[in-house]
Amino acid sequence: GENVEQHPSTLSVQEGDSAVIKCTYSDSASNYFPWYKQELGKRPQLIIDIRSNVGEKKDQRIAVTLNKTAKHFSLHITETQPEDSAVYFCAAITPGGGADGLTFGKGTHLIIQP
Amino acid sequence: DSGVTQTPKHLITATGQRVTLRCSPRSGDLSVYWYQQSLDQGLQFLIQYYNGEERAKGNILERFSAQQFPDLHSELNLSSLELGDSALYFCASSVRRTGSDGYTFGSGTRLTVV
Repeated sequence: GENVEQHPSTLSVQEGDSAVIKCTYSDSASNYFPWYKQELGKRPQLIIDIRSNVGEKKDQRIAVTLNKTAKHFSLHITETQPEDSAVYFCAAITPGGGADGLTFGKGTHLIIQP
Repeated sequence: DSGVTQTPKHLITATGQRVTLRCSPRSGDLSVYWYQQSLDQGLQFLIQYYNGEERAKGNILERFSAQQFPDLHSELNLSSLELGDSALYFCASSVRRTGSDGYTFGSGTRLTVV
């Protein structure tokens, strides 16, 4: 089945700087890669996603890039703000895989230092 | 409000007991997924139902069981509870069987076993 590795597990950046979180996946057939943000004690919320026919997608201060050849995708947050502090999860889905549903990375705790 | 409703929000129970967690998916969503999130842990996939049928199983213990009813709501039953079962239990729903349209998570049920 699909395996998703996520790095780093903790990332501390100064407010206003950029943050980058990286994920790799194992199954080359995976074709959908969402990112979720989870604030403390709250539900994970979809913030951006990308499909395998696209190399990059942007939404204001966040962007996701996908390198299918290398099987990795990254989340980029620019001009970080205190409200960006949260745990971020990447995920991948393989259509027709043995276990339907998303395979999640273990999460990155992003800390924005004032 | 994400449209995915989970009840109860909090549950405190003793070891050895049995509890039932309930999830109502977003209107129109046919897939329901259950996840367990322990303290500082990632999202552990438990089980998926699609239109009333079990579709995939993850790391679900034999003491745990679930079902999806004709009205598409789902229940997760946890029995012979142990201290280690204390966790946040999330339900998510999607339209498609594969989840490739993205998941919407409920607010979770926080289970505390004492």
